[in-house]
Amino acid sequence: TVVTQEPSFSVSPGGTVTLTCGWSSGSVSTNYYPSWYQQTPGQAPRTLIYNTNTRSSGVPDRFSGSILGHKAALTITGAQIDDESDYYCMLYVGSGSWVFGGGTKLTVL
Amino acid sequence: EVQLVESGGGLVQPGGSLRLSCAVSGFTFNSYWMHWVRQAPGKGLVWLSRIDYDGSSATYADSVKGRFTISRDDAKNTLYLQMNSLRAEDTAVYFCARGSGWGLVGWGQGTLVTVSS
Repeated sequence: TVVTQEPSFSVSPGGTVTLTCGWSSGSVSTNYYPSWYQQTPGQAPRTLIYNTNTRSSGVPDRFSGSILGHKAALTITGAQIDDESDYYCMLYVGSGSWVFGGGTKLTVL
Repeated sequence: EVQLVESGGGLVQPGGSLRLSCAVSGFTFNSYWMHWVRQAPGKGLVWLSRIDYDGSSATYADSVKGRFTISRDDAKNTLYLQMNSLRAEDTAVYFCARGSGWGLVGWGQGTLVTVSS
């Protein structure tokens, strides 16, 4: 059982991008409490979204979380150069276990 | 200000043991679940373990079950990860994180563990 993410994505400055997070065993719902993390090389992760759509303190509202179809989604509107990072989703898969996706490398150019 | 500071990493031989610590401040430690996450060089994040508010319940990823033990000392505001029977594939930066809801909110800066002879 694997959490799936796009390996890479590209967006233009000012554009909108939606990254997705799937579950190999089926659909992702709010019961998986999806969360999203941003990480630049050599730095600790930064929490963006938890419990599907709750923005972590200090995170700008151009980052939003949702369920789109059968996947969790992170949407970035008005992308900025500083948004160029790796993005990881994490799902609660039950029985006290969590699983991270492999991450999406976002390029802003 | 919420702060989490890991320590205890270093070089250890295969089969050896190491104990990581995570000292926290800026929040009521015994009100939160706590987690350990690791990241091998050039790889993604991997969830390892979670402990509940009072240490009465803990869960582990299959990859470390039976070898790693999470614990906490609420009097010292410190989280621990005892790592035994270490393997080369355990080489990684280890992060502690505060749970919030069913996610992780608040991360330490990480401590590097290198398993090599």
